[in-house]
Amino acid sequence: QSALTQPASVSGSPGQSITISCTGTSSDVGGYNYVSWYQQHPGKAPKLMIYDVSNRPSGVSNRFSGSKSGNTASLTISGLQAEDEADYYCSSYTSSSTLAFGGGTKLTVL
Amino acid sequence: QLQLQESGPGLVKPSETLSLTCTVSGGSISSSSYYWGWIRQPPGKGLEWIGSIYYSGSTYYNPSLKSRVTISVDTSKNQFSLKLSSVTAADTAVYYCARHMSTTLRAFDIWGQGTMVTVSS
Repeated sequence: QSALTQPASVSGSPGQSITISCTGTSSDVGGYNYVSWYQQHPGKAPKLMIYDVSNRPSGVSNRFSGSKSGNTASLTISGLQAEDEADYYCSSYTSSSTLAFGGGTKLTVL
Repeated sequence: QLQLQESGPGLVKPSETLSLTCTVSGGSISSSSYYWGWIRQPPGKGLEWIGSIYYSGSTYYNPSLKSRVTISVDTSKNQFSLKLSSVTAADTAVYYCARHMSTTLRAFDIWGQGTMVTVSS
């Protein structure tokens, strides 16, 4: 069982916006601003999309944004495109000096 | 640019030790600015952090694997390694090495391509 809880799947039509949640506790998501989000296409390595809750690495589209409220972090993708169809994982630093991942969310672009 | 490449046997027998190496190119593993880590992904499942190491040898491990895991670093070869003992079929996974963004266990910003390891007799 994953330490962080994500919905198994979300879907949206091209051009729409979707949000993926990542729920933890005050010992991880709620306690630190070290939440990150990864995109993974089939057969590929994960790609960092958001770090430190809301920061985008260089080269990542500004259609991707992150936020946090209490023990829940969120990834929002606006202007959905077919290429956004992938699995998305959140992760967080924890009070035990470890790293926790969410179980992953499969995004389907309809 | 910095690249990471995993290497090691693709097939390991049950009860034996899985050994993988990550070779860093295009930069120095001895940089004081980063931790380096191992992550795995069983077929069709999610990501699991295994552990991370600093060039000085300081390590952090996933508590669920800690009793079986050893991560080490060889700065002379610009490599870090993973050993997982007493493997079972549940350890079958794609194993990734990656670089943390800083000297804390923050995001992984650079990943290797991953290597599939199957545990089977």
